[in-house]
Amino acid sequence: AQSVTQLDSHVSVSEGTPVLLRCNYSSSYSPSLFWYVQHPNKGLQLLLKYTSAATLVKGINGFEAEFKKSETSFHLTKPSAHMSDAAEYFCVVTPLRNNFNKFYFGSGTKLNVKP
Amino acid sequence: DGGITQSPKYLFRKEGQNVTLSCEQNLNHDAMYWYRQDPGQGLRLIYYSQIVNDFQKGDIAEGYSVSREKKESFPLTVTSAQKNPTAFYLCASRVVGQPNTEAFFGQGTRLTVV
Repeated sequence: AQSVTQLDSHVSVSEGTPVLLRCNYSSSYSPSLFWYVQHPNKGLQLLLKYTSAATLVKGINGFEAEFKKSETSFHLTKPSAHMSDAAEYFCVVTPLRNNFNKFYFGSGTKLNVKP
Repeated sequence: DGGITQSPKYLFRKEGQNVTLSCEQNLNHDAMYWYRQDPGQGLRLIYYSQIVNDFQKGDIAEGYSVSREKKESFPLTVTSAQKNPTAFYLCASRVVGQPNTEAFFGQGTRLTVV
């Protein structure tokens, strides 16, 4: 069975401070993992993806995520938050076998950035 | 530019009416998806299609219907049987057969029942 748990529904940081958005997954097979960002009333934009090539993945806008198999985690980080980072973030898993055309979404984390 | 186009951006429906949401892609992707988004619930899969003339129900298909007559197009009809259709609807597409590839999303349609 596949599932994704985003541990925080809301995260608030001050501009210039680090961001940590947490994601844990469950997958019957080795997964592909993705982080997407959504600004209000917009579609989802890919930030980064893990495809088993390297455990530390760098994405757009200074974000990165580390795949930790032993912890079944794929947390998203950024060293210094910017006001434009305020949005909702979704962690997504696709199993590499069986139904790999289906995506499983976390419930989202809303990031608030204070000036 | 390649991408996915959803229309309209905003749609208002009277109770008892059927409405159709459009989704067109020029990415040459075989797989297309419809998701419904409600506040605090993430995205829930309504229908998906991996090939022309074939589609599968997702987790919340009741009250919805789709067609896939062309590779580029995957319209979603919200029927009068859908009791709570007010939501944000997202269409996505993806390459089939390459499990490491991401989905590409349209900009969404916000449907409101009036």
